[in-house]
Amino acid sequence: KAGVTQTPRYLIKTRGQQVTLSCSPISGHRSVSWYQQTPGQGLQFLFEYFSETQRNKGNFPGRFSGRQFSNSRSEMNVSTLELGDSALYLCASSPRSGVAGELFFGEGSRLTVL
Amino acid sequence: KQEVTQIPAALSVPEGENLVLNCSFTDSAIYNLQWFRQDPGKGLTSLLLIQSSQREQTSGRLNASLDKSSGRSTLYIAASQPGDSATYLCAVYSGGSNYKLTFGKGTLLTVNP
Repeated sequence: KAGVTQTPRYLIKTRGQQVTLSCSPISGHRSVSWYQQTPGQGLQFLFEYFSETQRNKGNFPGRFSGRQFSNSRSEMNVSTLELGDSALYLCASSPRSGVAGELFFGEGSRLTVL
Repeated sequence: KQEVTQIPAALSVPEGENLVLNCSFTDSAIYNLQWFRQDPGKGLTSLLLIQSSQREQTSGRLNASLDKSSGRSTLYIAASQPGDSATYLCAVYSGGSNYKLTFGKGTLLTVNP
């Protein structure tokens, strides 16, 4: 069974640009959540999608957005990039929404903002 | 606001030693607690998931306990091996209807041959 796939794995952008990251969950999993990992703040929750609906959202500015498609694949978008957005972005899939399900993480997308 | 603390931040042990990693959380109203392992530059691998009604979970050489009332969890690793070297993170689901997963900063474990 294929795991969670994130693309691209590495990318470099400049301040002011926007970026879109993609996450394909494990087959049959309908919940996808996104996390930002930085050396200073550690891992922080961005948002969760289940059946194409945003179920929950962390404390991030509106520049961070996401969506989920009918095949459960999810994308997150960051607009007007800032230097502080440099991070490892991880997505996780789960067979159930919310607190009930065990999380399975992808390898992450490492974003560098210059 | 839920806060998760992991002690120690780093730990170095010789191969074969049994060890304990600690995790504490400030709000005991949690749904569950999960332990993860992260290798350098990689994603997270789930190790053990303990529901709030459970006291412990075991998988192979790993045993995790949960004391919700005191806000503590421990991860016990028996007979450590160099391949166990990684960062270990604990995370708790809490927050009622506005639930979210809160992570600790992790413990960097090095097992020396």
